[in-house]
Amino acid sequence: KAGVTQTPRYLIKTRGQQVTLSCSPISGHRSVSWYQQTPGQGLQFLFEYFSETQRNKGNFPGRFSGRQFSNSRSEMNVSTLELGDSALYLCASSFDINQPQHFGDGTRLSIL
Amino acid sequence: AQTVTQSQPEMSVQEAETVTLSCTYDTSESDYYLFWYKQPPSRQMILVIRQEAYKQQNATENRFSVNFQKAAKSFSLKISDSQLGDAAMYFCAYRSALMRFGAGTRLTVKP
Repeated sequence: KAGVTQTPRYLIKTRGQQVTLSCSPISGHRSVSWYQQTPGQGLQFLFEYFSETQRNKGNFPGRFSGRQFSNSRSEMNVSTLELGDSALYLCASSFDINQPQHFGDGTRLSIL
Repeated sequence: AQTVTQSQPEMSVQEAETVTLSCTYDTSESDYYLFWYKQPPSRQMILVIRQEAYKQQNATENRFSVNFQKAAKSFSLKISDSQLGDAAMYFCAYRSALMRFGAGTRLTVKP
């Protein structure tokens, strides 16, 4: 079974731009969560989707948004990028909300 | 709000020895899940072990076991017969409505 796939692996952007990150969950998994990982703040929850509906949202500004498609694939978008958005963005999928999450390799986003 | 605390930023263990990583959490809920994940330098988070709060029996997965003390809100991970491949960042995580992670413990395994 293929694991969680995140694309791209690396991304370099400049301040003010916007970016879209993609996540394909494990086949059959309906829940997708996104996390931001930085050395200073650790792993922080962004949002969680289940069957195309946002179930939970972390404490991030409105510049961070996401969506889930009918095939469970998910995208997150960050608009008006700031230097502080530089981070590893991790996607995780699970069969259901309280099942163990399986993580992708992440997208390393660097803002210049 | 639920918080997860890992009080050991770094730990070191000799190969083949046993090491215990600490985790405490704060919650007012009675139904939740606890996890330990490892993140090697390859950066992919890998689930190590899972514990349901309603289960009194401590979870075990091969060389990995937990000591779950619900009243004390403690969830430590014991790694027996440590191997070089166990070297990684270990994150304790709590889940009810949201998933929250501790700051992590970097484990070094000495040959």
